Amino acid sequence: YEVTQPPSVSVSPGQTASITCSGDKLGTKYASWYQQKPGQSPVLVMYQDSRRPSGIPERFSGSSSGDTATLTISGTQAVDEADYYCQVWDSYNAIFGGGTKLTVL
Amino acid sequence: QVQLQESGPGLVKPSQTLSLTCNVSGDSISSGSYYWSWVRQPAGKGLEWIGRIYPSGSTTYNPSLGSRVTISVDTSKNQFFLKVTSVTAADTAVYYCAMVRGVNKGFGPWGQGTLVTVSS
Repeated sequence: YEVTQPPSVSVSPGQTASITCSGDKLGTKYASWYQQKPGQSPVLVMYQDSRRPSGIPERFSGSSSGDTATLTISGTQAVDEADYYCQVWDSYNAIFGGGTKLTVL
Repeated sequence: QVQLQESGPGLVKPSQTLSLTCNVSGDSISSGSYYWSWVRQPAGKGLEWIGRIYPSGSTTYNPSLGSRVTISVDTSKNQFFLKVTSVTAADTAVYYCAMVRGVNKGFGPWGQGTLVTVSS
């Protein structure tokens, strides 16, 4: 099973960024999302498609339908510039997407 | 607050065995429905799941790594372990340990990661 992310997404400060994760019938699986800044460990920002862990800003939201899961960042800030990875479970195996570099410019 | 920290040799020779330890603090490794995973990341590349273990000792591994990987746990020390045999340069990566809080939940928190280089 594979999931696909766009290599890069650009957004202007204050605008909405959408990062997609695509896979066969992905909407039937739960997706998680991770933020990773250079030199740092990944941080869980969304799980079970749309649930936000404690401490994650409300501007982060998630959704999933059909073959696509989407991480949305509303009112994007410069501090949100990072790599973002989606992840799903398939037959007890964790599958990560290739990552999306979010540039805020 | 659960914290994880990886430790182990930073340099391993080709064909030898990579061994890492993840020390868990802030909660018992046997608590609740948690399970414990290893993930690696080659420089400049994405995340690759290696495998996971339940406190009972039950394991699941990434099929792409075959039988080279073994994950084990010592609940008395609140630690879990990773062994990768017959390493090559392709196993050079930052290795992370991470917690998963239950079925269909994500990985978090993560350790700070440890770089393992395979080189003679």
